[in-house]
Amino acid sequence: DTAVSQTPKYLVTQMGNDKSIKCEQNLGHDTMYWYKQDSKKFLKIMFSYNNKELIINETVPNRFSPKSPDKAHLNLHINSLELGDSAVYFCASSQDDTVLPSYEQYFGPGTRLTVT
Amino acid sequence: TQLLEQSPQFLSIQEGENLTVYCNSSSVFSSLQWYRQEPGEGPVLLVTVVTGGEVKKLKRLTFQFGDARKDSSLHITAAQPGDTGLYLCAGLYGGSQGNLIFGKGTKLSVKP
Repeated sequence: DTAVSQTPKYLVTQMGNDKSIKCEQNLGHDTMYWYKQDSKKFLKIMFSYNNKELIINETVPNRFSPKSPDKAHLNLHINSLELGDSAVYFCASSQDDTVLPSYEQYFGPGTRLTVT
Repeated sequence: TQLLEQSPQFLSIQEGENLTVYCNSSSVFSSLQWYRQEPGEGPVLLVTVVTGGEVKKLKRLTFQFGDARKDSSLHITAAQPGDTGLYLCAGLYGGSQGNLIFGKGTKLSVKP
C-alpha cells in the first residue's frame, strides 16, 4: 500500500549512458514532481506535471526529460549521464485544493544515482 | 530569486534539551511547510502553516509562522533520540504553482 514508489532504489552507471527512473503514486493526486537532492542535502525541484502537462520546468539540462504516461506515473529519463548528475532523485505528488492550494508533498523513497 | 535561509545547519544536543530551528526569507510566503527526513528515505510532511502568527503543535514540536509570513520556527521540547533527522522548511510563494523553495535543512542529532 505504498503511496509513492520509485524504482530502482539504487542506480550505478557509467558516464555517457542513458537511464530512466520510474515513479508511481496511488494517492489519486493531481500533480507529480521530480526533485534532486545533492550531497549537501539541498533539495531542488526539477519538474512537475499536472494532468499530463508540464507546468514547471526549472533550469535543468535538456538531457533530463520527464515522461508521464498517465496521471499516476511520472518517469524521469536522463540522456548522456555526467558525473555531476550523481545525486538522490525524489519523486513526489500533491493533491491541489483549488480554493487554497498548499501543494503538500508526498515523497517517494528516493533513487540514489551514482555516475562513474 | 527567492531564497529561504534555514539555521542552524547542524545541531547536536543531549536528550531532554530544548531547541529551535529557524527559517527566514525576505519574501512573503503564501504558506510554509516543515518536513522531516531520515537517512535513506524521502522527506515526510510534519505541518503546514498558512496564516500570519499561526502556531501549531505536534506533540513536543511547536511550529510558528511569523506575523508578516516571512519567517517560521520549529521548537522541540525535551528532545529525544527519535527526533534525530534532517528538518527541512519549504516555502510556497504566491502564484508559484506548487514550486516549493526548500531551505538547506537542519541536521539534528539527539544523543541519549
